[in-house]
Amino acid sequence: EAQVTQNPRYLITVTGKKLTVTCSQNMNHEYMSWYRQDPGLGLRQIYYSMNVEVTDKGDVPEGYKVSRKEKRNFPLILESPSPNQTSLYFCASSFGLATNEKLFFGSGTQLSVL
Amino acid sequence: AQSVTQLDSQVPVFEEAPVELRCNYSSSVSVYLFWYVQYPNQGLQLLLKYLSGSTLVKGINGFEAEFNKSQTSFHLRKPSVHISDTAEYFCALKDTGNQFYFGTGTSLTVIP
Repeated sequence: EAQVTQNPRYLITVTGKKLTVTCSQNMNHEYMSWYRQDPGLGLRQIYYSMNVEVTDKGDVPEGYKVSRKEKRNFPLILESPSPNQTSLYFCASSFGLATNEKLFFGSGTQLSVL
Repeated sequence: AQSVTQLDSQVPVFEEAPVELRCNYSSSVSVYLFWYVQYPNQGLQLLLKYLSGSTLVKGINGFEAEFNKSQTSFHLRKPSVHISDTAEYFCALKDTGNQFYFGTGTSLTVIP
């Protein structure tokens, strides 16, 4: 089954403790991206990747890191989480943006930073 | 800069009544427009998209949207809603670059 898999689904952590949210897709998609969803603000893009070893900042990259060492995986890293990073996070992928293909979304990761 | 405005944060509607969810956009270049739906505790799914051609696009679950370039709008409509349509709906825009821009969402509640 074609899917985007995020883990974990829920995560509670404390300020300053490094964490990684994993994202994997099995559709051989070139494009992958991370969003955060906050009430009243909708989805905002954090980082995106056009292909392996190619990443770029979205609208709200501060406090986050990403890597794209393999085509299928695109982990989101919070080196020193803070309470303002408490949010619902979504990973998404697409065949490629040149043809304006749709985004496939994961089920989300609810992060709480205490 | 690109932006998407969803004018209504919440829309309650009775079952079998028609509904329109409004979306306006701002862009200085050509755009591609999308509507996504998010059911509770799930990720977003594509409802429909406008890339070019006919300004009326039909999507899944009986939804349709009309692209109006002069009004810079892409409103979503359904002639008769069902309880199962209760969800959050997001309008999104993509320009010729590499980013998608999402609106703040409209929560549709269908009342029995």
